Amino acid sequence: GQQLNQSPQSMFIQEGEDVSMNCTSSSIFNTWLWYKQDPGEGPVLLIALYKAGELTSNGRLTAQFGITRKDSFLNISASIPSDVGIYFCAALDSNYQLIWGAGTKLIIKP
Amino acid sequence: NAGVTQTPKFQVLKTGQSMTLQCAQDMNHNSMYWYRQDPGMGLRLIYYSASEGTTDKGEVPNGYNVSRLNKREFSLRLESAAPSQTSVYFCASRSTGRIAREQFFGPGTRLTVL
Repeated sequence: GQQLNQSPQSMFIQEGEDVSMNCTSSSIFNTWLWYKQDPGEGPVLLIALYKAGELTSNGRLTAQFGITRKDSFLNISASIPSDVGIYFCAALDSNYQLIWGAGTKLIIKP
Repeated sequence: NAGVTQTPKFQVLKTGQSMTLQCAQDMNHNSMYWYRQDPGMGLRLIYYSASEGTTDKGEVPNGYNVSRLNKREFSLRLESAAPSQTSVYFCASRSTGRIAREQFFGPGTRLTVL
C-alpha cells in the first residue's frame, strides 16, 4: 500500500533545543496532518494542513505543507519535557483514509 | 463527552481463543475505524465503517471481522487469535462534511497473544 517516509526515526535533544522532522511521499496528497502520541494513549491531532505551501502554527509547533504536495515538515521550537512522545505524519487519501508515517520518537535528555 | 472509548485496555489471549474489542463514540460521528499499531510502524487500517450499516476492508483485514452495531458502536472480533495479532489496537471516529478531516482516537487496547 501507500507509505509515507518519516524521518528521523528518533531524536535525542536537550531541553530548549529546536526540533525538526519531515515526511515525504511518492504520491500527491491534498491534506497533511501531524499527530502526537503520548505513552499509553491514542494519537492526538496537532496541526492539519489543507493547502500546498501552507505554513501553520500551533503554539511552539509550526508545520508546512510542501508546494509539491508530496511532503510536509514539523518544527518544535524551544522543546520542553512534555514534548516527549512519538510524532506521526499522516496524509488523507481520496477515500478519506489516513496513510501514516512510521513516527519520530522524541526523547529529551535531562 | 467521553469521546472515543475502548474496552478492554489490556488483554492476554492464548493462540486460538476468540475475543471482541469494543469501541464506542459519543460525538455522533458517521465514520469509524479500527487500526493496529506495531513497534516501529505507523498505524495500519484493519477495517472501517463509513456509515451505520456499512463496513469495508482496510490494509490488513485478514484474521479480523467487524460489526457496526449502531452509529455509536463499532466492534472488532478476532475469531482465532494468533501471535502475529499481538499489537495495540486503536479505534477512531470521524465526522463527515467538507472540513471534517480529523480522526479522533480512543486510548487503545493492548493485546498479547501467547
